[in-house]
Parts: sequence; C-alpha cells; structure tokens
Amino acid sequence: TQLLEQSPQFLSIQEGENLTVYCNSSSVFSSLQWYRQEPGEGPVLLVTVVTGGEVKKLKRLTFQFGDARKDSSLHITAAQPGDTGLYLCAGGKYGGATNKLIFGTGTLLAVQP
Amino acid sequence: DAGVTQSPTHLIKTRGQQVTLRCSPKSGHDTVSWYQQALGQGPQFIFQYYEEEERQRGNFPDRFSGHQFPNYSSELNVNALLLGDSALYLCASSLWRVTYEQYFGPGTRLTVT
Repeated sequence: TQLLEQSPQFLSIQEGENLTVYCNSSSVFSSLQWYRQEPGEGPVLLVTVVTGGEVKKLKRLTFQFGDARKDSSLHITAAQPGDTGLYLCAGGKYGGATNKLIFGTGTLLAVQP
Repeated sequence: DAGVTQSPTHLIKTRGQQVTLRCSPKSGHDTVSWYQQALGQGPQFIFQYYEEEERQRGNFPDRFSGHQFPNYSSELNVNALLLGDSALYLCASSLWRVTYEQYFGPGTRLTVT
C-alpha cells in the first residue's frame, strides 16, 4: 500500500521555468525527506524537515512541511538541466520498535535547455 | 570518508536461482535498510537490520532474507528467483536513533531471465 502520493508524476519544462512538486498523504509523519535520483544511481538526500509548517531553502530549492505533517512541497526556481532527475519524498515513521521510511510514488522531472 | 557501497553493480541470474547482494554502510552508521525499486517508481522497503537483527520487514515473501554482520555490513539473499524480482536493489544506512535520515548506495541492478 502506497501511503505517499506525489504529483505530478511527470514534468517536462524549459530551462528557467519554476515548478512545484507535491507530496500528499492521509497519514501523519514524524519527518519528511526529499531525495533526488539520477538514472542508475541511488537516491541522494536533499533535505529533512521535522516540524509542521517548517520551510527550508537550499539555493533554488524551497521545501515545506505541511502544518499537520501530512504533506510537503518542493519548489524549484529557475530550473536548470542539472535539476533533471527523479524526485522522491519519503515520510519517516518512528518510535519504539517502528523506525522506517516510506517513499512516495516519485516525480520524474526533465528540464530542457 | 567512504559512503555506502554495494556489490555487485550488475547481476544477471536465471529463474529459480539464488542471489546474494552485499552492502557496506557509511562510516559510523549502525543500521542498514534494503529497498527494491522498479524503474521510475519509488523504492519499496524490504527490511531493516540493527544490532544484527531484523527489526522491521516490508511486504516481501520469505524468499527474501538478510543478515547483518558485527561490522554493520549486510547481505540480502533472494531464493527461487522470479522474473518479477528484476529491479534495482538499494541499500541505505543510518543511525538507529536517526533512522529517518538514510543515505543510499548506488544500488545493484538485478536482471532475472
């Protein structure tokens, strides 16, 4: 059962455009991570947010955790071809004997030069 | 400081055979999680090892088994391979107390023919 839905599933844009990727769930998570994955490689951790309403900025990337800790968004400003890849959100559920990461469905981004 | 390493990089097996994949965690990490990823999709959690014990397991059959060694490295074994087992197998390491921040290896691409 997939608990985290990402939208859009695919996105093809021109260099310089802005975009937002959404990650939604009906479950509450203790933390939310965003990863970027390039073909043939493992996911690379971009950011971790743990507080409801938290906003983090990483250069041209802005990440937000929803107030209720059920959803998150990733906004990219002035996209570049190097931003191309599979973007994955992952929700952390932990406490006691339960420590695990649940991945979203993924958003495949292609930035055309 | 070496990151997460996995071996082999690629593997081709025949239906019904058995396979063993290996993972060395990032220096200082004590927890290893294994994931299966189909092309263009998010990783699916297989199981997690800490203190040489399987701590959690995803929705995978008993054909999937694992082991963690005293040096924190880990193995994933799959018996009686099926065509549907073809995928990218990812290993992620973390600290047990911060399991939500997982760092991934490059993966092993398994093809079952």
